[in-house]
Amino acid sequence: GQQLNQSPQSMFIQEGEDVSMNCTSSSIFNTWLWYKQEPGEGPVLLIALYKAGELTSNGRLTAQFGITRKDSFLNISASIPSDVGIYFCAGGGTQGAQKLVFGQGTRLTINP
Amino acid sequence: DSGVTQTPKHLITATGQRVTLRCSPRSGDLSVYWYQQSLDQGLQFLIQYYNGEERAKGNILERFSAQQFPDLHSELNLSSLELGDSALYFCASRGTGNTGELFFGEGSRLTVL
Repeated sequence: GQQLNQSPQSMFIQEGEDVSMNCTSSSIFNTWLWYKQEPGEGPVLLIALYKAGELTSNGRLTAQFGITRKDSFLNISASIPSDVGIYFCAGGGTQGAQKLVFGQGTRLTINP
Repeated sequence: DSGVTQTPKHLITATGQRVTLRCSPRSGDLSVYWYQQSLDQGLQFLIQYYNGEERAKGNILERFSAQQFPDLHSELNLSSLELGDSALYFCASRGTGNTGELFFGEGSRLTVL
C-alpha cells in the first residue's frame, strides 16, 4: 500500500533556530497536507498544497509540493516555544481525501 | 475549534467488552473519516463514509464497524476489545469541495485493561 516516509522522527532545537522536515513516497500524490498535533488534541491543518512545485507560506511556516509529486517539505523559521508538537505530512490521491495517507510524524522539542 | 465533535473524550474498559465512539462532523460536511492512532504512532485510516454510505475502507479489523446516520453523525463500534486496541480514535470531516483537507476532532482516548 501507499506509505510516506517522514524524517526526521524527532528534533531537539534551540529557540530561534529554523526547522526543516520532509516526506517522501514511492507513490504519486495529488495533494500534500501538513498537520500539527499537540498533546491531547487532534491534528490541526497547517498548510495544504495542490499543485506540483507549489510553494505556500503560513506565517513562519513554508511548505512545498515536490515537482515529482512524491515528496514535500515543511520549514519553520525562527522557532518559538509554541511550535512544540508532532508534525505530520499527509498525501491525498486522485479522489480527494479518500484514504489520506499520513507520515509517522516529526516530534519537535524546543529548548528555551 | 475544528467544528468536529467527538464523544467520549476518554473511555476505560475491560478486554472482551464493546464500546461505541460518536462523531459529529462540521456543519454541512458530508464525509466522515475514522483514524486510529496508537502510542507514538502515526494515523492509520480505518474507514470513510459519505452521506450515509461507506466509501473507503482501510485496515479496519472485523471486530470494528461503523455507520453514518441520516443526520450525518457517525459511530465507530469496537467489540471483543483487546489490550492492543488501546489508542486514540479520531474522526475527521471533509467539505463538499474536492480540496482533500480533513478537519479532525479532539479524539476519543480508549484504554483497554
